Amino acid sequence: DIHVTQFPSSLSASVGDRVTITCRASQSIHSWLAWYQQKPGKAPKLLIYQASTLESGVPSRFSGSGSGTEFTLTISSLQPDDFATYHCQHYNSYPWTFGQGTKVEIK
Amino acid sequence: QVQLQESGPGLVRPSETLSLTCTVSGGSVSSGSHYWNWIRQPPGKRLEWIGYIYQTGDSNVNPSLKNRVTMSVDGSTNHFSLRLTSVTAADTAIYYCARQRKSGWFEGIDIWGQGTVVTVSP
Repeated sequence: DIHVTQFPSSLSASVGDRVTITCRASQSIHSWLAWYQQKPGKAPKLLIYQASTLESGVPSRFSGSGSGTEFTLTISSLQPDDFATYHCQHYNSYPWTFGQGTKVEIK
Repeated sequence: QVQLQESGPGLVRPSETLSLTCTVSGGSVSSGSHYWNWIRQPPGKRLEWIGYIYQTGDSNVNPSLKNRVTMSVDGSTNHFSLRLTSVTAADTAIYYCARQRKSGWFEGIDIWGQGTVVTVSP
């Protein structure tokens, strides 16, 4: 199985901050990576797929980059609605696996 | 607007079979552009992909669960289902059904059900 590791596991930030979350795969997954946002008690919401393609309706302050084994999710200016847990997921080969999540908290 | 809704028992006894159904509204499980997934989230742990099924009945299951999982899809009732046999406490989780797009290649999992809590306990 391809293992996916996210870091940091949590971070504290203020509204307006630039936030970067990293996802590292145990072997190349090309660009087959998605990012999700999850709020407490809710299902995940798709933000980005194929490493850098923004899902329709997702604010442009979210962006994704990377290929191979290293990927980043960037929030250019953190908004109050962005405090949540973020998950990456690879879909390069079976089984698809998720990172352990990064919780973004209010500083 | 496509919506997914999981249904099934919230409590299952150890060694018994967990059965969940996902009802699709506003769309069709017979869509050729979508794959229908099951994903779970044990308490305090990462999301785990269980598997998916396509309209044809073709499926792909996580090898860690392969011997215990059966999935099915029913175009006439517009739902798809999961059966997990011989459950243990390790199967306690929030279970999500979810839709994945495919247009040439897979895209993201774009529609999720609200999730259903399943507890395995005597």
